[in-house]
Formats: sequence, structure tokens, C-alpha cells
Amino acid sequence: EPEVTQTPSHQVTQMGQEVILRCVPISNHLYFYWYRQILGQKVEFLVSFYNNEISEKSEIFDDQFSVERPDGSNFTLKIRSTKLEDSAMYFCASFPGTASYEQYFGPGTRLTVT
Amino acid sequence: AQSVTQLDSQVPVFEEAPVELRCNYSSSVSVYLFWYVQYPNQGLQLLLKYLSGSTLVKGINGFEAEFNKSQTSFHLRKPSVHISDTAEYFCAVRPYSGGGADGLTFGKGTHLIIQP
Repeated sequence: EPEVTQTPSHQVTQMGQEVILRCVPISNHLYFYWYRQILGQKVEFLVSFYNNEISEKSEIFDDQFSVERPDGSNFTLKIRSTKLEDSAMYFCASFPGTASYEQYFGPGTRLTVT
Repeated sequence: AQSVTQLDSQVPVFEEAPVELRCNYSSSVSVYLFWYVQYPNQGLQLLLKYLSGSTLVKGINGFEAEFNKSQTSFHLRKPSVHISDTAEYFCAVRPYSGGGADGLTFGKGTHLIIQP
């Protein structure tokens, strides 16, 4: 069964550094998303992406964040200058665009900012 | 805007006993409702969803949920749990309107602990 994959599973970085989190959505899916979950808190929507542009973004998704689909298969989340409070689990999801409205989630990348 | 409240952060249950995980939501518009499960070190997997029609929906692994519009609830139930059901359960909503661009709004999750 097709699945969303994410790499790396765990990323440790120093405050102020740039990180790129990578995701490979399910082939033929049309919508892509990033969510994050700070330890002990809710899973929060960051951004959705469709037709090579951002469709929706939350207030969390400020100028330090960017997303890209560089090659038709990967979907990346870049954090330009990481802060301690960016430490969280980041989930990628994809959706085929059908009436099922089911988003398929990857296993997540745990980002630790020191 | 929407919000989701999962009233219990942790629910311990004995194996083969029934369980109910509670979910209430608040929204100014109609919503679709979902339950996701997260097993240790894995991603979120859809258990079931309510889009329209019958308010009792059945999902995978013997779970079911009932949508109650007047009480704005979508509680998850299973008549007999197994050790393998130990996981984190998330209730989520998204608005009717709009296309696929809308993100899900999640509750904080309920950790279901099955005791032998």
C-alpha cells in the first residue's frame, strides 16, 4: 500500500541554523500539508500546498518557514533560522483530492533545536 | 475557526472491556469529523470519518463513532479492546466549505492504555 515517507526521522540542529525536512507524498495525490506537534500539545496545521503554490497557511507559518516541491516527488519544509521553540514533531500529509477527504500522514520528523 | 476538545488525556481500560473516548468540537460552520490513531513511532492513521448520512460510522479495528450535532460531539467507542489498541487517539475536524486546502484541526489526543 502506498504511504507517505519522511526523512530524516530525527534531526538535531543548533539554534539559528537552517533545516530542511523532506517528505515524499503518495504518488498522484494533489494536496500536500505540513503539521507540527510540540511535545504534549495538539497537532497543529502549518500549511497546505496545491498546484505548486501555497493554498492555506496558519498564523504559525511565518516568514521563517517555506515550502517547496522541487522535483515533482519531494515536498520540503524549510525553517530558515531555527529557534528553541521550533522543537517539535513535524508531520507531512497528502490527499488525493477526492470526496473522501482523507489525509494520509507520514511517520514524522522529530526536530530538536539546541 | 474550529476547536476540538478531547476531555480525557489518558484512559486506562482492562483488556476485553468496552471503551469510549470523548470528543467535542466547536465551529461556526458545518464540519467533517475524523478520528486518527497513532501507534508508537508511527504516523497518524485514519480510523473513521463522518462526512454525511448515518450518524453512526464504523471504522477499522472494530471502532465506531456517533456524530451528535446537537451536542457537537463525536465520541469513539469499541465494545471490547485488545492490548494492540494501546495508542494515542486524535479527534479532528475540517470545514465543509473549501476544497482540499483546508487543514485539519486536532484535539490534544487521548492515550488509551490497555491493562491485561
